[in-house]
Amino acid sequence: ETGVTQSPTHLIKTRGQQVTLRCSSQSGHNTVSWYQQALGQGPQFIFQYYREEENGRGNFPPRFSGLQFPNYSSELNVNALELDDSALYLCASSFQPGGPYEQYFGPGTRLTVT
Amino acid sequence: ELKVEQNPLFLSMQEGKNYTIYCNYSTTSDRLYWYRQDPGKSLESLFVLLSNGAVKQEGRLMASLDTKARLSTLHITAAVHDLSATYFCAVDMDNAGNMLTFGGGTRLMVKP
Repeated sequence: ETGVTQSPTHLIKTRGQQVTLRCSSQSGHNTVSWYQQALGQGPQFIFQYYREEENGRGNFPPRFSGLQFPNYSSELNVNALELDDSALYLCASSFQPGGPYEQYFGPGTRLTVT
Repeated sequence: ELKVEQNPLFLSMQEGKNYTIYCNYSTTSDRLYWYRQDPGKSLESLFVLLSNGAVKQEGRLMASLDTKARLSTLHITAAVHDLSATYFCAVDMDNAGNMLTFGGGTRLMVKP
């Protein structure tokens, strides 16, 4: 059984650019959630995908968008990057929404916007 | 809007001592999670609490949930240096299924 993986591990972008982050869910899990964790703060829920559809969204602007693929892997896309987007981006997978099912977090992607 | 507050934000304690971290939340929920995060690392699941009065223990850590008071506690018994980390509680928004609102975290430092 493989765990949650994310790529890349680190990324540096310039303000105004676009970025795509990737997540592979744990084997058998069909739900992926994305979180943003700014330095020294708790993670904030961005959105959740289930069966390739957005299943819920936190308080993030539309320039944060996502995809889920038939193999349940997922992408987080951020357009028009701002300095405040610098953070650790975590994805988490679980068996299915509605739960409660334990959620497993990946190692994260550290994004720096300059 | 669901708010989750932890206190203290920072805790420095000696090895062998006991202490409790508190997690208050603002709306009804009977799903509460505790996570541990080491510096530069991801989140490690510690406990999942799913009903009023739930109590779970693992080693020197024990978590409890009081849904009526909207309060969860994480009790540390006879702390050891290896417990040094940041601890987060998180509440499932509207029991929606893993759409979590996290507290700000408690940074625990255990001194030898």
